[in-house]
Amino acid sequence: EADIYQTPRYLVIGTGKKITLECSQTMGHDKMYWYQQDPGMELHLIHYSYGVNSTEKGDLSSESTVSRIRTEHFPLTLESARPSHTSQYLCASSEFWESQDNEQFFGPGTRLTVL
Amino acid sequence: QKEVEQDPGPLSVPEGAIVSLNCTYSNSAFQYFMWYRQYSRKGPELLMYTYSSGNKEDGRFTAQVDKSSKYISLFIRDSQPSDSATYLCAMRAYSSASKIIFGSGTRLSIRP
Repeated sequence: EADIYQTPRYLVIGTGKKITLECSQTMGHDKMYWYQQDPGMELHLIHYSYGVNSTEKGDLSSESTVSRIRTEHFPLTLESARPSHTSQYLCASSEFWESQDNEQFFGPGTRLTVL
Repeated sequence: QKEVEQDPGPLSVPEGAIVSLNCTYSNSAFQYFMWYRQYSRKGPELLMYTYSSGNKEDGRFTAQVDKSSKYISLFIRDSQPSDSATYLCAMRAYSSASKIIFGSGTRLSIRP
């Protein structure tokens, strides 16, 4: 079973608040990812990291930011939450070279609701 | 136009039936094809992983890739209520190791 954790699992917050979604993995994986998933829609990559001090934007434009100061930790921050940010946020990790044995492991997700 | 198209369902079948889930894609550079299973309120988990064309079998699950038609399938034999979940197809090109493109998922329900 994959050891990747996300907190909080559910968050309801008012517009304008700053929030940080936490993601940690204990597998020593180099790569980490953040996806956004709306009901009935595809997972969209919003950020990824190849390792410590590496962050890249994904295909879907996002107002969030990420940091990778430690290998195991990849938090996502929204400086000022808006109702349009309401979604499920999924964190994933993988070894550097992806293959059948090194697939992306996903966390359980954080369901964010901005009122 | 989406790079990956997947029928969202929902699909409801009786227990024991054979289930066929499908995706089509437009990018001929895709080389790696995956099926993820996602239970309600959980993250996706990798179910099947196939490189290039051909079939792959794992227990009750069979993945098929037809690159000439840009069409992939997942077959579930002897379906069980525990197979009820959303199934996401996913694929990526060899040159872009970090970017997996996901389908929108098919919601499957197996009736006891």
